[in-house]
Amino acid sequence: GAVVSQHPSWVICKSGTSVKIECRSLDFQATTMFWYRQFPKQSLMLMATSNEGSKATYEQGVEKDKFLINHASLTLSTLTVTSAHPEDSSFYICSLTQGGEQYFGPGTRLTVT
Amino acid sequence: AQSVTQPDIHITVSEGASLELRCNYSYGATPYLFWYVQSPGQGLQLLLKYFSGDTLVQGIKGFEAEFKRSQSSFNLRKPSVHWSDAAEYFCAVGSGGSNYKLTFGKGTLLTVNP
Repeated sequence: GAVVSQHPSWVICKSGTSVKIECRSLDFQATTMFWYRQFPKQSLMLMATSNEGSKATYEQGVEKDKFLINHASLTLSTLTVTSAHPEDSSFYICSLTQGGEQYFGPGTRLTVT
Repeated sequence: AQSVTQPDIHITVSEGASLELRCNYSYGATPYLFWYVQSPGQGLQLLLKYFSGDTLVQGIKGFEAEFKRSQSSFNLRKPSVHWSDAAEYFCAVGSGGSNYKLTFGKGTLLTVNP
C-alpha cells in the first residue's frame, strides 16, 4: 500500500507565528489528499480535501484563511497554520486513497505556546 | 450527513477473553465502513473494511466485523484478545466515491488486563 510521511512529527511554536506541515506520498501520485485534526483523546475530524493543482475544499466550520492548504505536486500537500494560537494545538494527520483504501500519515503534533 | 456512534468510550477485558466493539452509523446509501486501530505514537492502521458483498468481513490480527443493514451496525469482534491489542479503536464511514471522505466515531479505548 501507499506510504505516507509527515514532517515534522512534532512542532512547538509561539502564539502568533505560522507553521507549515508537510504530507508526502512516497510511492504513489495522489491527486487528492485529506487533512484531519485530532484533539487529545478525541476522534479525527476532517478539515479539508487537498486537490492537486486546484483549491482545497474545506469542511464546514474550518477557516480556510487560517489553515492554508497547498497541493502543488502529486506527492506533496502542505498545511500551514497561520497566526497560530494555543487552541490550534492538536494532532494533524494527512491521508490519501489508493486502491480503495485510505492510508494515513503518522501525524504531526502541534503545540502552540 | 453521515455520522458514526461508538457507544463505549472505554472497555476493559482480560487477556484471552472475547471482544466486541460496537459501532452504529447513519448514512443515506450503502456505506463504506471501516475499523481502524490507533496505538500510542502510531498512525492509524486499517483493520478491515466493508464495501459490498459478504457482510462478514475478516481483517488483520484476527479481527472480524459484521455489517447489519437492518441495525445500521458494524460491530468489531475478536474471539481471544491479546495484550498487544490494547489501543484506541475507531469506526468510520466513507462517502464520496473512490476518493471517499471519512467520518469517524469518537473511538473506544481498549484496555487488556493480564
